[in-house]
Amino acid sequence: DGGITQSPKYLFRKEGQNVTLSCEQNLNHDAMYWYRQDPGQGLRLIYYSQIVNDFQKGDIAEGYSVSREKKESFPLTVTSAQKNPTAFYLCARSIDRSRGPQHFGDGTRLSIL
Amino acid sequence: GQQLNQSPQSMFIQEGEDVSMNCTSSSIFNTWLWYKQEPGEGPVLLIALYKAGELTSNGRLTAQFGITRKDSFLNISASIPSDVGIYFCAGSGGSNYKLTFGKGTLLTVNP
Repeated sequence: DGGITQSPKYLFRKEGQNVTLSCEQNLNHDAMYWYRQDPGQGLRLIYYSQIVNDFQKGDIAEGYSVSREKKESFPLTVTSAQKNPTAFYLCARSIDRSRGPQHFGDGTRLSIL
Repeated sequence: GQQLNQSPQSMFIQEGEDVSMNCTSSSIFNTWLWYKQEPGEGPVLLIALYKAGELTSNGRLTAQFGITRKDSFLNISASIPSDVGIYFCAGSGGSNYKLTFGKGTLLTVNP
């Protein structure tokens, strides 16, 4: 799994509901990322974190929130403010941000009920 | 913001053929990364390039960081059926290391 695990594999959200996607890494890497992938599109950055208790917005952060309380964990919450949440969500890690995302998880596919 | 054009959008080739795809940027990049993604999985990093002119191989894959720092190409030699997937380029420039992804090249290999 490249040292990074995402769960669940599939997730369904009801209208008005917040849902949280899990991302865990076991290689003690500093940088972690969340990307969104839509059909036929490249990946778009939602949030990234270089160190514990610090994270920065990416290009499409609206309607999403993250936390980085532990080095190994970087959960993403898709809030009810995100009106078009259906997508494939990918978490990634790297030794540091200058190297870019080196390993991706297997993704979570989020759909609307 | 930065724009990145990846071409071709898709390719249909016969097993054994060589493949070439490329990415061009509207601005100068300091890093080029090439990934492969298979259905239902996350992208896998194939080759990372950090220096203009750099030519790097990974088995049958070869990638180059263009000397102008605005382009990169990926070649696959002697393709095999398991090369099937979507290949993405990604680049970043500036001190914020913000990556821009191409839209991908869908590769189909006919046995």
